[in-house]
Amino acid sequence: QVSLRESGPALVKPTQTLTLTCTFSGLSVDTRGMSVTWVRQTPGKALEWLALMDWDDDKYYTTSLKTRLTISKDTSKNQVVLTMSNMDPVDTGTYYCARTRITVPGRAGFDSWGQGALVTVSS
Amino acid sequence: SYVLTQPPSVSVAPGKTATITCGSNNIGVKGVHWYQQRPGQAPVLVISFSSDRPSGIPERFSGSNSGNTATLTISRVDAADEADYYCQVWDGASVVFGGGTKLTVL
Repeated sequence: QVSLRESGPALVKPTQTLTLTCTFSGLSVDTRGMSVTWVRQTPGKALEWLALMDWDDDKYYTTSLKTRLTISKDTSKNQVVLTMSNMDPVDTGTYYCARTRITVPGRAGFDSWGQGALVTVSS
Repeated sequence: SYVLTQPPSVSVAPGKTATITCGSNNIGVKGVHWYQQRPGQAPVLVISFSSDRPSGIPERFSGSNSGNTATLTISRVDAADEADYYCQVWDGASVVFGGGTKLTVL
């Protein structure tokens, strides 16, 4: 049974850098064919994709936030980390990590999600 | 960039069938994934690759995809199905979500 858990600061100040950690249980982040993503949801809004990292360290970012995002992996801690620089109040929302697999038909849906981390950006 | 269009809201009476659409040019050639998100909870995958139901998802949930429209169908709707539903596709290695549809059970 795989489980994911996000952790990070609940409150950050404008211009600061946010660091969020996604800790895996029951599965290695290096599992062949697995990808881990970060998705956020600002209040009352839709899901917004942020970044994706494949098991082989390929990385992908949403175009609109690419300059502010970095996704990385700490294999020793079985974690995937997202940093977002220059935080603004409009970045306030819930940040989720989720995992998927690359299968024969193609990239699958996200079948495991963390519970989400609520981040407020305020001075 | 790829855009997925969903109706903002759908209403249905208990016991009836709800239909939620996800539109885009030639979406029928893509695998579409559907998520249910209840208030205050993380999304849950309910349909994968347009019509596959993950383990644990009731048979009442089904999906289809053809032409310019993918469809999530929920039969025999009950109050527990009231939630936001999102479609999602892959555009290369980028993830695209629809704007979400709020399903209200009358």
